[in-house]
Amino acid sequence: GESVGLHLPTLSVQEGDNSIINCAYSNSASDYFIWYKQESGKGPQFIIDIRSNMDKRQGQRVTVLLNKTVKHLSLQIAATQPGDSAVYFCAEKTKARQLTFGSGTQLTVLP
Amino acid sequence: NAGVMQNPRHLVRRRGQEARLRCSPMKGHSHVYWYRQLPEEGLKFMVYLQKENIIDESGMPKERFSAEFPKEGPSILRIQQVVRGDSAAYFCASSPPDRAREKLFFGSGTQLSVL
Repeated sequence: GESVGLHLPTLSVQEGDNSIINCAYSNSASDYFIWYKQESGKGPQFIIDIRSNMDKRQGQRVTVLLNKTVKHLSLQIAATQPGDSAVYFCAEKTKARQLTFGSGTQLTVLP
Repeated sequence: NAGVMQNPRHLVRRRGQEARLRCSPMKGHSHVYWYRQLPEEGLKFMVYLQKENIIDESGMPKERFSAEFPKEGPSILRIQQVVRGDSAAYFCASSPPDRAREKLFFGSGTQLSVL
């Protein structure tokens, strides 16, 4: 079936290290992907997005990689900071459907 | 430029009552989306609206739930005869016309608690 899932429900990293959050998807028709950050008690906040005709996109301290061959998406955060602690969601969209969210990964930044 | 505004922030209802959740999109955004989130879960799509039109309601329960986005005023998500299973965080999002269904901007949500 169609799903967007994450490999790990939790991830702990040392402050200053790089973080990599992974996401698997199963719908080969997905043409758009997006990452959101959600802090406790708040709404999801846009981080970065990528279309299926690209395999990499960079933002400020963040990079999204898309591997369509294995249907895998990752979010890389450089020099992770305490303020990066949050739940991170990937989401996908096809031409016919709305954004479908994965279950999220809790990122904890250790001092 | 104010973001997506949702109210109330918290809403407590007893079983059988009605819940009304309001959402004002970002300025210039004419597309509104409602999502529901249970604790420690991802967001589940409910409904997608444009002004005076429901575009996609495939995620809405068939009964008790309705949504509107009138020509004037906020979008309303209405839940009639609430049950305990309706307890969740309800998020509204909006997008500009040229990024419909893609780059959604979310509000802070309404936490609905049904006693």
